[in-house]
Amino acid sequence: NAGVTQTPKFRVLKTGQSMTLLCAQDMNHEYMYWYRQDPGMGLRLIHYSVGEGTTAKGEVPDGYNVSRLKKQNFLLGLESAAPSQTSVYFCASSYWDTHLGYTFGSGTRLTVV
Amino acid sequence: GENVEQHPSTLSVQEGDSAVIKCTYSDSASNYFPWYKQELGKGPQLIIDIRSNVGEKKDQRIAVTLNKTAKHFSLHITETQPEDSAVYFCAASMFSGGYNKLIFGAGTRLAVHP
Repeated sequence: NAGVTQTPKFRVLKTGQSMTLLCAQDMNHEYMYWYRQDPGMGLRLIHYSVGEGTTAKGEVPDGYNVSRLKKQNFLLGLESAAPSQTSVYFCASSYWDTHLGYTFGSGTRLTVV
Repeated sequence: GENVEQHPSTLSVQEGDSAVIKCTYSDSASNYFPWYKQELGKGPQLIIDIRSNVGEKKDQRIAVTLNKTAKHFSLHITETQPEDSAVYFCAASMFSGGYNKLIFGAGTRLAVHP
């Protein structure tokens, strides 16, 4: 049972480039989330999804887009990367709201130069 | 909006001592309070949680207490070991947009020295 898998683990982008981060979970969880982690600021919610085909904005959605075409996958896109998007990105999933806690992936370290 | 404050940001203890991390939250409707442990290079892992109808919960060397009136909750680790060294995050549930989500504190870096 792999849990939550994120790809890639590391990436360096130039300003203005685009990329997609992939999150896959094999636990049949309904809810999926994308967080960014920055020093001294904890984990901030970017976007989330409450089921296949749904997406919603979190605390810091600007500059990001997401898609949930399949229940097991949640994609995070950066259309035009900026240095301010340098961060560690974590995907998480849960069965239903917060009842069972979140399962996190191991993260993607993104650097935008 | 909902805010979770966590203190201290860093904590250094000797092996065998106790460690306490404290969090306060702003939304009185919050009803779920998990704690996560993040080891270097890994994602956060749930270690213990508490719901608003319970005042304290223990799991071996780890305990969490909740004071709903004061809107604060704490993580207590007794008999600390070097493998407890990690970043710890508290979180509180927030209901918005029709769903519950977690709002995280900024984290506490715990160092346990042998």
